[in-house]
Amino acid sequence: GEDVEQSLFLSVREGDSSVINCTYTDSSSTYLYWYKQEPGAGLQLLTYIFSNMDMKQDQRLTVLLNKKDKHLSLRIADTQTGDSAIYFCAESIAGTASKLTFGTGTRLQVTL
Amino acid sequence: DAGVIQSPRHEVTEMGQEVTLRCKPISGHDYLFWYRQTMMRGLELLIYFNNNVPIDDSGMPEDRFSAKMPNASFSTLKIQPSEPRDSAVYFCASSEGQGYPGANVLTFGAGSRLTVL
Repeated sequence: GEDVEQSLFLSVREGDSSVINCTYTDSSSTYLYWYKQEPGAGLQLLTYIFSNMDMKQDQRLTVLLNKKDKHLSLRIADTQTGDSAIYFCAESIAGTASKLTFGTGTRLQVTL
Repeated sequence: DAGVIQSPRHEVTEMGQEVTLRCKPISGHDYLFWYRQTMMRGLELLIYFNNNVPIDDSGMPEDRFSAKMPNASFSTLKIQPSEPRDSAVYFCASSEGQGYPGANVLTFGAGSRLTVL
């Protein structure tokens, strides 16, 4: 079955790197995603990675995928106070169209 | 495009009342999703549509919940009668169909915060 897990909370200092981790159970995942939710807003796509890739970099964001261990991570370099939000990882499964299964979300707190 | 538009943004109602939440997806998107977010249960998929047809409603909590999509530009989620445990933020999201890169990307609305007293 589909199950996506994340730690609930992460606190980092401004300027440091943040690493948010996610594990999933379904080996037939085709895409894996990171979404960001700011207070009072909907989820916004940050980036996604195809399951046949190991890494994807987009400016301050680096996504690493370990398919063997079913582990996904999001690294944010030079974390800023504006990065404070809840981060969700999600997976989509082959044959289920656009249906996504979301993790529980990790609340990132950036301190000065 | 203005993105996915939801209304109302906030709704406060009393137990037993009917609640109707509305969503306008992005033009050209073939899929529409309704999610519910609570502190206890996180983000739950309630139902999704493809080309206005409900595909999977297994996440709908019970018969008090119903969703319709009468045309490609409009969907409703109705709760009748509402109960305090229905209090949550309800999100609508839409996406393009399969077949091209990034096809599984969901665009979310800002959400409708429902409080049932």
